[in-house]
Amino acid sequence: DVKVTQSSRYLVKRTGEKVFLECVQDMDHENMFWYRQDPGLGLRLIYFSYDVKMKEKGDIPEGYSVSREKKERFSLILESASTNQTSMYLCASKGRAGALEQYFGPGTRLTVT
Amino acid sequence: ILNVEQSPQSLHVQEGDSTNFTCSFPSSNFYALHWYRWETAKSPEALFVMTLNGDEKKKGRISATLNTKEGYSYLYIKGSQPEDSATYLCAFTNQAGTALIFGKGTTLSVSS
Repeated sequence: DVKVTQSSRYLVKRTGEKVFLECVQDMDHENMFWYRQDPGLGLRLIYFSYDVKMKEKGDIPEGYSVSREKKERFSLILESASTNQTSMYLCASKGRAGALEQYFGPGTRLTVT
Repeated sequence: ILNVEQSPQSLHVQEGDSTNFTCSFPSSNFYALHWYRWETAKSPEALFVMTLNGDEKKKGRISATLNTKEGYSYLYIKGSQPEDSATYLCAFTNQAGTALIFGKGTTLSVSS
């Protein structure tokens, strides 16, 4: 069974704080993704990584950065959290090019006050 | 801009009703179409991945069809049960990308 885990289910942070959201997958997948989900907007891609130390911007990268130092771990960083980053954050992973299915973690609901 | 549209946005049915949802996507440079089920407090779960025009997939009471030439897919649920209550997401990949482009989802509520 593929497993994608995220470090927290719920997180509350203050405006201006630096926030780290961690994601770990156990299937040796090359590709990893960070999405956010907001009511009425669906899942939107923030960043993805196709290999260690490689990253690509998604549709809404502003205000975020990512880190992929090890194959199994993909971190999303909010350098200075703002209230408009209150959202549900979902991590996903996928095998090498040609693999179709993405596997999702359970999500982290982040509230920035 | 690549856009995936799902309809309806939400749906409420009675137990035993059959229902269907629509997903429309760009028909050019098609690579794959995904359906996910996302239940509250759980991870989105993959239902189907379809790649060929005319594909039909079935899992229990749920089935899906794909028309890549006109850019749409239908998801059918036969004899809805309360445990089918979830948000159903459609996602598309084109030949250029590895990332999924999601629709906004259809939220199904089934009453007993």
